Amino acid sequence: DAGVTQSPTHLIKTRGQHVTLRCSPISGHKSVSWYQQVLGQGPQFIFQYYEKEERGRGNFPDRFSARQFPNYSSELNVNALLLGDSALYLCASSLSSNQPQHFGDGTRLSIL
Amino acid sequence: AQSVAQPEDQVNVAEGNPLTVKCTYSVSGNPYLFWYVQYPNRGLQFLLKYITGDNLVKGSYGFEAEFNKSQTSFHLKKPSALVSDSALYFCAVRDLSRDDKIIFGKGTRLHILP
Repeated sequence: DAGVTQSPTHLIKTRGQHVTLRCSPISGHKSVSWYQQVLGQGPQFIFQYYEKEERGRGNFPDRFSARQFPNYSSELNVNALLLGDSALYLCASSLSSNQPQHFGDGTRLSIL
Repeated sequence: AQSVAQPEDQVNVAEGNPLTVKCTYSVSGNPYLFWYVQYPNRGLQFLLKYITGDNLVKGSYGFEAEFNKSQTSFHLKKPSALVSDSALYFCAVRDLSRDDKIIFGKGTRLHILP
């Protein structure tokens, strides 16, 4: 079975641009979460979606938004990119709240 | 608020020796605890979890973790380290309050010396 897949794997943008990152969860998983991992730190929670509804939001500015589609795939959008948005963006899916989250390999976003 | 702490930035262990990676937690209510491993340029891989039950939890790749409620610890252990165990290890707690999310520690880099 395919794991969590994310696209693209790498992305280079300049300040002020916007970006869309995509995630396909493991088949049967209805919960998708997004995390930002800055170099040298642990992942920081951005959003969680379950059954197409936002279930949680971390401490990130409104420039960050996300949505989940009927097939449970998800997009993370970031507007007005800043240098500090450079990070590895991880998507994770799970069956339910007390089950482990399974992570994709992430999208490496570099802001110039 | 839920939190986890990993007091060691790096742990060095000789191949074949036992290893321990430390984690302490702070939660309100019952803890849902996890260990993940991250290899270079990869996402996180699930190793093991504690929700309820036995305090010694067995996971993937020969790893295990000991839940200690009185010390609020959840240390990761392995009886005999392999060079291939060298990676970044994250302890995490599931926060089931208003936002259903995982809170990660800052990570511990494990070096297994041949």
